[in-house]
Amino acid sequence: EIVLTQSPATLSLSPGERATLSCRASQSVSIYLAWYQQKPGQAPRLLIYDASNRAPGIPARFSGSGSGTDFSLTIGSLEPEDFAVYYCQLQTNWPLTFGGGTKVEI
Amino acid sequence: EVQLLESGGGLAQPGGSLRLSCAASTFTFSSYGMSWVRQAPGKGLEWISGITGDGGSTYYADSVRGRFTISRDYPTNTLYLQMKSLRVEDTAIYYCAKQSGWDGGSFDCWGQGTLVTVSS
Repeated sequence: EIVLTQSPATLSLSPGERATLSCRASQSVSIYLAWYQQKPGQAPRLLIYDASNRAPGIPARFSGSGSGTDFSLTIGSLEPEDFAVYYCQLQTNWPLTFGGGTKVEI
Repeated sequence: EVQLLESGGGLAQPGGSLRLSCAASTFTFSSYGMSWVRQAPGKGLEWISGITGDGGSTYYADSVRGRFTISRDYPTNTLYLQMKSLRVEDTAIYYCAKQSGWDGGSFDCWGQGTLVTVSS
């Protein structure tokens, strides 16, 4: 079973700053990694799939990169609505596990 | 617009059973895999079960294998999760999610979730 480890657990930033979140896989997953945003009381929302492709309707300030075992999600300039919890997820190789999450807080 | 609507959550006793449903609309149900993902109070997301587009293969997390059964009904475009031998630690919001592929993929659409509480 592939394990996804996210870091840091919490990221404290201000609006307008750049956020970089990390997700590391215990073995290579090629490009098959997705990122989600979850706000309190809401279902998760897909942001990025296949490591670097933005889902429909996702603003350009969100970008993903990486392959193999090391991946990043970057939020170019934080908007107030971006403060939330972010999860990475394995797209292939069952089980389709999630990382533990990174909370981006003010 | 793709829609997923869960139902069936509620209060159950330890050792009891519940069946969750997820009604899907506005996409070709048989073309996509589906999964259940849960979130315990204050915790992260946990994938627990998935099924391929044709229902021919099912997958389970170790935490629910042997107790939960995933299935899907094509005439009604409904995904199910039969939960038996419930434990207190099964308390969570349960989401159904559409996969982007027939077998695996990202979760490109989510339901609003249904709360399952297991308590005596």
